[in-house]
Amino acid sequence: DQQVKQNSPSLSVQEGRISILNCDYTNSMFDYFLWYKKYPAEGPTFLISISSIKDKNEDGRFTVFLNKSAKHLSLHIVPSQPGDSAVYFCAASPNAGNMLTFGGGTRLMVKP
Amino acid sequence: SAVISQKPSRDICQRGTSLTIQCQVDSQVTMMFWYRQQPGQSLTLIATANQGSEATYESGFVIDKFPISRPNLTFSTLTVSNLSPEDSSIYLCSVLHGNQPQHFGDGTRLSIL
Repeated sequence: DQQVKQNSPSLSVQEGRISILNCDYTNSMFDYFLWYKKYPAEGPTFLISISSIKDKNEDGRFTVFLNKSAKHLSLHIVPSQPGDSAVYFCAASPNAGNMLTFGGGTRLMVKP
Repeated sequence: SAVISQKPSRDICQRGTSLTIQCQVDSQVTMMFWYRQQPGQSLTLIATANQGSEATYESGFVIDKFPISRPNLTFSTLTVSNLSPEDSSIYLCSVLHGNQPQHFGDGTRLSIL
């Protein structure tokens, strides 16, 4: 039973355009959500997080949106850059400071 | 954020042998975790490494196959025992301190001959 799902295994975007990565979850106990970026041969790197008391969190080119009623979150990257090409994982937890449940990942390719 | 050193970065092992992976953190952390990423898959939590006591394993993972030690607040080891081809994966250590986001090491890429 996948509690966190990323339905798009891959996404290709032109440099300078917006990248939108989506994530759905089923467990109502999840209240804290994170996005990680992973390059080959490296561990996942934390990008941005959001708690359920918010519906949006922004950090530079990265914005995460949370729709709690739909159990859906998305990561927007604008403008996209070739260096953003990586696998992006969505993760969820009952609260900050707890173990994470990961989605399957979306491979983002930003073309110059 | 904490700096995590995970060793070895990769290894190729024979069937039936065991491999011990080390995770060293440059500061004391509240929690340490071990994850597995099988080829083309997401990260799956193996266990939470508890300081001074037995690890807490997730469903599908057992101590006999994945013994874990955590003798202090900065160090943990994961052993993958009786290796088979199905154990070919990336094994990742992660740490959590307070309400900071979980932070990962670079992983150990394990291949079984």
